Amino acid sequence: QQPVQSPQAVILREGEDAVINCSSSKALYSVHWYRQKHGEAPVFLMILLKGGEQKGHEKISASFNEKKQQSSLYLTASQLSYSGTYFCGSPDYGGSQGNLIFGKGTKLSVKP
Amino acid sequence: NAGVTQTPEFQVLKTGQSMTLQCAQDMNHEYMSWYRQDPGMGLRLIHYSVGAGITDQGEVPNGYNVSRSTTEDFPLRLLSAAPSQTSVYFCASSYEGLSPLHFGNGTRLTVT
Repeated sequence: QQPVQSPQAVILREGEDAVINCSSSKALYSVHWYRQKHGEAPVFLMILLKGGEQKGHEKISASFNEKKQQSSLYLTASQLSYSGTYFCGSPDYGGSQGNLIFGKGTKLSVKP
Repeated sequence: NAGVTQTPEFQVLKTGQSMTLQCAQDMNHEYMSWYRQDPGMGLRLIHYSVGAGITDQGEVPNGYNVSRSTTEDFPLRLLSAAPSQTSVYFCASSYEGLSPLHFGNGTRLTVT
């Protein structure tokens, strides 16, 4: 079952902040975040392995709450280069990443 | 170091034709997987492999076959193409469970 992402799309001005949420009705063992620019392949951002853990990538950070089966991606002071579609993913069984299941994505557009 | 290489980049098939999408990686990764991407549907897992000789089904396996005879190669076979298989196909690999996925550049397939 795919993780559920919200919102489906968001439009920002440069410098504004955004939050993208990822939740699952099944237990989340880890959460993986990727960004895909139009016409390109997805690119890895970060993996969160522990409940409540926060990680960062440039001005992008994320949290993972195992108990709530949720993860959130925080984009602060957004830049034009942040535009793209963001996907969260989680292994379907245990800790193996061989079967990573992705959400439907959140399209982020950053305007000048 | 080429990473993950997919061929062809573009392909047009007629309904009922068969073909093989090629995927090769030169990073000695054990995990390899195939995803299809359709508008609004995110990345859906077709088949995956956790090592040579070991494959398993993902979310949408019907109409596709895979095999993994070597660590480097993971071809995806369409047995009898259907218009519903029109999509962008991504191959991905990772060193082990919970490590980042490396994606190929994708194969854009149209079935008429």
